[in-house]
Amino acid sequence: KQEVTQIPAALSVPEGENLVLNCSFTDSAIYNLQWFRQDPGKGLTSLLLIQSSQREQTSGRLNASLDKSSGRSTLYIAASQPGDSATYLCAVRRIQGAQKLVFGQGTRLTINP
Amino acid sequence: SQTIHQWPATLVQPVGSPLSLECTVEGTSNPNLYWYRQAAGRGLQLLFYSVGIGQISSEVPQNLSASRPQDRQFILSSKKLLLSDSGFYLCAWSHFRELFFGSGTQLSVL
Repeated sequence: KQEVTQIPAALSVPEGENLVLNCSFTDSAIYNLQWFRQDPGKGLTSLLLIQSSQREQTSGRLNASLDKSSGRSTLYIAASQPGDSATYLCAVRRIQGAQKLVFGQGTRLTINP
Repeated sequence: SQTIHQWPATLVQPVGSPLSLECTVEGTSNPNLYWYRQAAGRGLQLLFYSVGIGQISSEVPQNLSASRPQDRQFILSSKKLLLSDSGFYLCAWSHFRELFFGSGTQLSVL
């Protein structure tokens, strides 16, 4: 059974810092991994999708990496801004049963001005 | 481009009343459709998914049901709501790559 863990559960940093959010998964047989952002009371917004054959993806100040062999992914946020404050979730799509994603519990990020 | 519509945004219902939440997708055909629930302070729980019209898979036994009467329409229903059905309900779609979410419905059962 695939399990996804995100550490830390909450993180508070001053504006301008670079930071890393962590996601680990127990079964390396994944199809892809997706990072999402969720603002309070809102739906989830897709940030980055990494296929299993890829090592990383970049979008603006965001960079996501994937190491399947160790079951880990990181989301790197450069030059953090107060607008980056949100909950960040990762989800993995398994090869078997690829219709379904398994989500982590999320990291609640607060960027202090 | 593809868009997903989910309504209503908020809903307050008494215990024992029926429920119908609707989700529609535009700009794509034959999507996989999903209903998730997010209880306060908890993670996302997959409730139902559908790979085609009339094809519904249930992930957890519960007081809810889902239907897909048209290719791009997904409906979440209940005949009698329970207090434990309160939560944030999210519809989503994908084609085995990215998963895209609707804006969600905050359901409060009182």
